[in-house]
Amino acid sequence: SQQGEEDPQALSIQEGENATMNCSYKTSINNLQWYRQNSGRGLVHLILIRSNEREKHSGRLRVTLDTSKKSSSLLITASRAADTASYFCATDGVFGANSKLTFGKGITLSVRP
Amino acid sequence: NAGVTQTPKFQVLKTGQSMTLQCAQDMNHEYMSWYRQDPGMGLRLIHYSVGAGITDQGEVPNGYNVSRSTTEDFPLRLLSAAPSQTSVYFCASSYAGEQYFGPGTRLTVT
Repeated sequence: SQQGEEDPQALSIQEGENATMNCSYKTSINNLQWYRQNSGRGLVHLILIRSNEREKHSGRLRVTLDTSKKSSSLLITASRAADTASYFCATDGVFGANSKLTFGKGITLSVRP
Repeated sequence: NAGVTQTPKFQVLKTGQSMTLQCAQDMNHEYMSWYRQDPGMGLRLIHYSVGAGITDQGEVPNGYNVSRSTTEDFPLRLLSAAPSQTSVYFCASSYAGEQYFGPGTRLTVT
């Protein structure tokens, strides 16, 4: 069963705008991760946030985690056409760094030049 | 480092045929896993391994076998291919929770 559910399913924005994507999950987690997948390629790890962290930054990416609401958001600032991709959140259980990851169905982001 | 490599990139099988999808990593990661990705379904875990000699089932293991004789290699075997196994297959290795994905194998079963 899917643990993470992303929202919206699809997002289309203009280059330069910010993109916000959300992920909700059902059970307690050890950490939450976001991945990007360009068309026809494998997934690439973007950022990992641990259950005891509330916010994390990496370049133009900002991730927040609210464990009380069981939700996370990924913000991409000043989007570029090259950010066009599918984005997935993934959660793992509370039994260590190599617990099984469960992926959501993904969000398709289109950035118009 | 080559990272995670998968072969073949594309494969067409007839129903009932068997084949092995190869996966190798050169990062000395203990944890490896296989996923399938279908439209609208996200990634679903097929099998995983926490080290050489140890494998376990994921969410959708039926019709697939794995073995892990070395740290580097984690092949996925389709025993008797069915059209429902038409999918894109990804292998991944993991360190400190972060997964490193291979480029994928696109499999079509007719």
